[in-house]
Amino acid sequence: DQQVKQNSPSLSVQEGRISILNCDYTNSMFDYFLWYKKYPAEGPTFLISISSIKDKNEDGRFTVFLNKSAKHLSLHIVPSQPGDSAVYFCAASIKLTSGSRLTFGEGTQLTVNP
Amino acid sequence: EPEVTQTPSHQVTQMGQEVILRCVPISNHLYFYWYRQILGQKVEFLVSFYNNEISEKSEIFDDQFSVERPDGSNFTLKIRSTKLEDSAMYFCARESLRFRLAEAFFGQGTRLTVV
Repeated sequence: DQQVKQNSPSLSVQEGRISILNCDYTNSMFDYFLWYKKYPAEGPTFLISISSIKDKNEDGRFTVFLNKSAKHLSLHIVPSQPGDSAVYFCAASIKLTSGSRLTFGEGTQLTVNP
Repeated sequence: EPEVTQTPSHQVTQMGQEVILRCVPISNHLYFYWYRQILGQKVEFLVSFYNNEISEKSEIFDDQFSVERPDGSNFTLKIRSTKLEDSAMYFCARESLRFRLAEAFFGQGTRLTVV
């Protein structure tokens, strides 16, 4: 099942710089996209989401961009902080509302160096 | 938003034994979910549960798995006869309180080790 794919297993950036995490999907039925952050031995923590009718959503240091024609989304973190170091998962749902399963990517390990 | 609480945090069981994983949700939620993550792999959907019934299940959720809400509060995942490949982190999740959107809010997980 490769419906959601994160091609970069890891990313390393300097504190204060921009982190860009990428995600591609193949299922055109996906209608809602989400980013989660995960620390070891904890559950995924919801960060930000975007509906397919939008191309950008911003929440503080986090911005998600959606390119529907390319079936691509990205998460920008500006400025990056050492506390942002974690595994980031993108996920997709075919429904905007509750009840739909989330399909996750493999995750990208982000390391922010002081 | 408040999260869900899962117990136990770690369970070790022998192959072939039954295990029950528990999730204590906040009231007023209608949708609950179970996901799992095998070490080094993706987080995978298992089942969604709505109004005391299974709403959707994945191909992973075979006859060995069951879910219920036995006392109207705790939400459980039962694996009847565990296999080595059931070793994973199991996450309970609840729906968003915000406009009933598709975000799921996860518990801290139960690490299941089958030996």
